[in-house]
Amino acid sequence: SAVISQKPSRDICQRGTSLTIQCQVDSQVTMMFWYRQQPGQSLTLIATANQGSEATYESGFVIDKFPISRPNLTFSTLTVSNMSPEDSSIYLCSVDAGTSSDEQYFGPGTRLTVT
Amino acid sequence: AQSVTQLDSHVSVSEGTPVLLRCNYSSSYSPSLFWYVQHPNKGLQLLLKYTSAATLVKGINGFEAEFKKSETSFHLTKPSAHMSDAAEYFCVVLGGSYIPTFGRGTSLIVHP
Repeated sequence: SAVISQKPSRDICQRGTSLTIQCQVDSQVTMMFWYRQQPGQSLTLIATANQGSEATYESGFVIDKFPISRPNLTFSTLTVSNMSPEDSSIYLCSVDAGTSSDEQYFGPGTRLTVT
Repeated sequence: AQSVTQLDSHVSVSEGTPVLLRCNYSSSYSPSLFWYVQHPNKGLQLLLKYTSAATLVKGINGFEAEFKKSETSFHLTKPSAHMSDAAEYFCVVLGGSYIPTFGRGTSLIVHP
């Protein structure tokens, strides 16, 4: 299994500012995913990030609001731009378990509160 | 297309009694199905998964789930609840793509 860490674990931010969340994996992985979990809700996929290519965004999410970087096979960042209170959520990164498995491993999440 | 429905938003049981968390799915392809658990302020942990092998799947911490194609169900059970089982549980379906669909979650409450 992969061990995933995220920074920061939580933050309280002002409206209109931006926050960059880091995701670090202890092994090289092909695909990394970013999810949003709004209060009391399930997980919604924001985008898929493959190293060396542009992230693929799901319906309702755009690059200008959620720019993603994937500079190598063990690291990715998600930026939440121009934040509003509606962006208050838990943001989770995950990785695929490998070509022989279709499960995902999840990071501990970043709890974001926008005031 | 794929979807998943968790039939209960909350399930409340007493410690030592059985647990049943219900999940129904739909998928255009033969699906893989998963149950994840999320403890407060923790990440998601895989409990068990079904990937077209045995229909009765055993997971960690005494949980198991049975894949019933005729009923399109994948209910999670445990014979005897423990206080440490109190958490949010997510049923997940994966069929035809690498993008999983999560259920809305079931909050398991365990009373002493």
